[in-house]
Amino acid sequence: NAGVTQTPKFQVLKTGQSMTLQCAQDMNHNSMYWYRQDPGMGLRLIYYSASEGTTDKGEVPNGYNVSRLNKREFSLRLESAAPSQTSVYFCASSERGVSTDTQYFGPGTRLTVL
Amino acid sequence: AQKITQTQPGMFVQEKEAVTLDCTYDTSDQSYGLFWYKQPSSGEMIFLIYQGSYDEQNATEGRYSLNFQKARKSANLVISASQLGDSAMYFCAMREGWNAGNMLTFGGGTRLMVKP
Repeated sequence: NAGVTQTPKFQVLKTGQSMTLQCAQDMNHNSMYWYRQDPGMGLRLIYYSASEGTTDKGEVPNGYNVSRLNKREFSLRLESAAPSQTSVYFCASSERGVSTDTQYFGPGTRLTVL
Repeated sequence: AQKITQTQPGMFVQEKEAVTLDCTYDTSDQSYGLFWYKQPSSGEMIFLIYQGSYDEQNATEGRYSLNFQKARKSANLVISASQLGDSAMYFCAMREGWNAGNMLTFGGGTRLMVKP
């Protein structure tokens, strides 16, 4: 089991460029999440998908869009990157209905916007 | 108001000693969950331990235990017999209620450094 995988691991963009971060999980989890982590801080939720076919905004959704492609895959898109979006992006998944509902994280994507 | 507060930005501990990392939380929900994650210098987020708001016993996972004091709204992580590999950032997080998505709110983290 690979768990949660993310691509790419690193990316450098120029202001105004667009890109899509990919996330996939092989744990058959219903819920998936995108977080960002700025230097020296904890993670903040960007968007989440409670189940296939649904997506909702988190704490910091501005400048991002998401797609829950199927149960396994959840992508995050930056339409017009800005330097304020320089961050490390983590994808996570969890299984609702389990008492702990623990979220398991991917390895992260380090994004720099120049 | 901060929902999760970790007041220790950095801590040192001698190898083989125990250490307590503090976490206080703020919620009006009756049903919630508290989590601790470890983030080594390589950057990944590793789940350590979970405590549910209705759990009467403190959670334990190997060398990790969670000192849960519900009335004080604290959920401190205790690491026994510290090892050099425990040097990392540690994050406390909370899931409130049982709504769709069960998103986590994270504290600012504590950097633990284990001295040989």
